[in-house]
Amino acid sequence: GDSVTQMEGPVTLSEEAFLTINCTYTATGYPSLFWYVQYPGEGLQLLLKATKADDKGSNKGFEATYRKETTSFHLEKGSVQVSDSAVYFCALSHNNNDMRFGAGTRLTVKP
Amino acid sequence: GAVVSQHPSWVICKSGTSVKIECRSLDFQATTMFWYRQFPKQSLMLMATSNEGSKATYEQGVEKDKFLINHASLTLSTLTVTSAHPEDSSFYICSARDQGLPIQYFGAGTRLSVL
Repeated sequence: GDSVTQMEGPVTLSEEAFLTINCTYTATGYPSLFWYVQYPGEGLQLLLKATKADDKGSNKGFEATYRKETTSFHLEKGSVQVSDSAVYFCALSHNNNDMRFGAGTRLTVKP
Repeated sequence: GAVVSQHPSWVICKSGTSVKIECRSLDFQATTMFWYRQFPKQSLMLMATSNEGSKATYEQGVEKDKFLINHASLTLSTLTVTSAHPEDSSFYICSARDQGLPIQYFGAGTRLSVL
């Protein structure tokens, strides 16, 4: 079945550092890909998405490109802030009927 | 953007009692709602898919009689944890799909602690 694999955390960075969180997937067909962010004690917020190959999702300085050839959707940000500290989940879905999540990557950004 | 309200945000109950969690789509109609469970420092696990006006579809290993799901309207789904036990303690999150749109919106989650 479909699955998502994320790089294991936790990830600790200094403010203004470059962030990459790797995400690869296994799926039939052409799923939509998502990144969600979860702040402490809260639910998930959609960060960005891409619905077809070569699409780039972007929001709040975060970017991820749907790479069909490498089945990847890596999350990047050029300069992280303390407020970016959270858990990030990569996910995939076919027609949004059933969403599969990666294990999550905890990011801590230190001043 | 679309808002999903989940209530309560935190509940503590005694073992053997039942707890009801509500999930409401505030500014859109949701034909489909999803219920997830999240253990500490782990990912979300889909428990069931709820379609308005019909019975929920449960994932393998999820007890239907223990986790009762009702989706009586296009804006409300409820999850009732019946005869709760300490092992049911977890973070429960709902999501709702806007009609015709390929996006799920998530509630803030409910932390259930069973004593």
